[in-house]
Amino acid sequence: RKEVEQDPGPFNVPEGATVAFNCTYSNSASQSFFWYRQDCRKEPKLLMSVYSSGNEDGRFTAQLNRASQYISLLIRDSKLSDSATYLCVVSKYSSASKIIFGSGTRLSIRP
Amino acid sequence: DAGVTQSPTHLIKTRGQHVTLRCSPISGHKSVSWYQQVLGQGPQFIFQYYEKEERGRGNFPDRFSARQFPNYSSELNVNALLLGDSALYLCASSSRDYWDEQFFGPGTRLTVL
Repeated sequence: RKEVEQDPGPFNVPEGATVAFNCTYSNSASQSFFWYRQDCRKEPKLLMSVYSSGNEDGRFTAQLNRASQYISLLIRDSKLSDSATYLCVVSKYSSASKIIFGSGTRLSIRP
Repeated sequence: DAGVTQSPTHLIKTRGQHVTLRCSPISGHKSVSWYQQVLGQGPQFIFQYYEKEERGRGNFPDRFSARQFPNYSSELNVNALLLGDSALYLCASSSRDYWDEQFFGPGTRLTVL
């Protein structure tokens, strides 16, 4: 079983739709969680950090469920520019620091 | 301000050779991490350095090594290259020693023939 699992997609949704991705992780000791966005042939960029209380940034909402060990990303009123691969990231900082990226979920927004 | 820079952008090597990849972090950032990304997968963590000390290591063989210099730039070295080492190698910098927002460079595309 992978330590971080994401639905690879692709998700193909019309502009203006709401779309949600989930990501599950296996290590209950994980401490920090992020969503990164990666455009085709570009480097990943931080979309948002994910906090236990949930957090929102404009059209984007991230949630963390520690009990069930998953994080989610909700995109409302999707735009063509949201088309990208979304990477779930789980990390643990200790004497042996570790960070794991999921394989990514591809999202394609159609006009 | 300049972002994270990496050199070279592309590299072609043959099996058994050695390669050195370089990374300069954002000014003021003391943490540098290295990742390997193959097509269709997310980046895989190789190393993290903070203040010239190794803070974390992923599941990569000893052929992979890295170091961080006093100016916080970093090198990733790979010995005895295998075909499977062909990938995009990404460097990321951050200002803190724990996992926080990372800023990625454009990567070095390594092809091993």
